[in-house]
Amino acid sequence: SQTIHQWPATLVQPVGSPLSLECTVEGTSNPNLYWYRQAAGRGLQLLFYSVGIGQISSEVPQNLSASRPQDRQFILSSKKLLLSDSGFYLCAWSVGVGNSPLHFGNGTRLTVT
Amino acid sequence: AQKVTQAQTEISVVEKEDVTLDCVYETRDTTYYLFWYKQPPSGELVFLIRRNSFDEQNEISGRYSWNFQKSTSSFNFTITASQVVDSAVYFCALSEALSGTYKYIFGTGTRLKVLA
Repeated sequence: SQTIHQWPATLVQPVGSPLSLECTVEGTSNPNLYWYRQAAGRGLQLLFYSVGIGQISSEVPQNLSASRPQDRQFILSSKKLLLSDSGFYLCAWSVGVGNSPLHFGNGTRLTVT
Repeated sequence: AQKVTQAQTEISVVEKEDVTLDCVYETRDTTYYLFWYKQPPSGELVFLIRRNSFDEQNEISGRYSWNFQKSTSSFNFTITASQVVDSAVYFCALSEALSGTYKYIFGTGTRLKVLA
């Protein structure tokens, strides 16, 4: 069966520090991978998605970036965090062309202080 | 462009009441998919149902039912005889199969509080 791992679960970082969140998927090949952010009390904002190694689509211009160095690994990064980067970050995967559901990781709660 | 609107920010009901969560979507594609997810207080998102644009048949699963109406671009979710465990944030989402963008767009969610 397929599983998705996302870590860390919680993170407290000072303003201006770097960020690296990692997500890996097991049990499926060539998944579509996604990073979403959920601000406190808000909906899910799509940040990045990837349909293959090295292929990244950005939805929101900001100081975050994403990379997909391996088929089932998706990394969210920042060189310098802002207070506004605080939120709940969710990694997800799917297969196909939008016809299958997204499967989410347990999320990372990031607090920038 | 894709858009999903969940106009109800928060709903409170007393246990055993029925409740309907509204979802209205916008798309230019003729082939698309609609989803509902549940986010309990623990934070993980749980997939509940998928519906494709060619299947307007309503679906029932236990206390849950979904009403898909293309004429009004709505995909509403009803919980019958609500329970405290139904308390969560519920999200509606849309993906367009033909656009080739593989994007899933979510509504802002509806927080459901079921009071004992």
